[in-house]
Amino acid sequence: AQSVAQPEDQVNVAEGNPLTVKCTYSVSGNPYLFWYVQYPNRGLQFLLKYITGDNLVKGSYGFEAEFNKSQTSFHLKKPSALVSDSALYFCAVANFNKFYFGSGTKLNVKP
Amino acid sequence: GAGVSQSPRYKVAKRGQDVALRCDPISGHVSLFWYQQALGQGPEFLTYFQNEAQLDKSGLPSDRFFAERPEGSVSTLKIQRTQQEDSAVYLCALGTGGVETQYFGPGTRLLVL
Repeated sequence: AQSVAQPEDQVNVAEGNPLTVKCTYSVSGNPYLFWYVQYPNRGLQFLLKYITGDNLVKGSYGFEAEFNKSQTSFHLKKPSALVSDSALYFCAVANFNKFYFGSGTKLNVKP
Repeated sequence: GAGVSQSPRYKVAKRGQDVALRCDPISGHVSLFWYQQALGQGPEFLTYFQNEAQLDKSGLPSDRFFAERPEGSVSTLKIQRTQQEDSAVYLCALGTGGVETQYFGPGTRLLVL
């Protein structure tokens, strides 16, 4: 069975500080992992994905994520947070064209 | 995103009413997906089309839910005899085939009273 866990409902960080949003997964076979961001009253926007290759994946808006096979994790990171990064972030694992999403983490970046 | 519009953006229905939600890809995409996002939750898979063929409908919660994509472009998700538990945001997503990035529309927020 495929599943994704986002253990934190909310992450608070000060502007300019590094941020991490955690994601762990459970899949059978090779994992295809994604991060999406959702702003209020808008659809999900693609940030980045891991299919194969380098464990550190760089994406949109300065975000990156590190694939760790031994820990079955795919944490989202950014070296310096912006207030405009405040939004709802979803981790997802893909299997045979279905996406399985985590429950989301609300990121609050305070000025 | 890849260019997908959904209509209506908001729908209020009385319990028992039938509703139809539309997904209109602006550009041609092979794959089309429907997801249901309940308040405070992540999206959950409903069904998947490759062109006009509905390849997977395992996520449809009951036989009141029906989706179609007759010409391989516009898709409609129909919910018959709506119930309060159907209240959610319904998201349409496009892909190009295989395990690839999905691009999401803005969603339709359905409220069943």
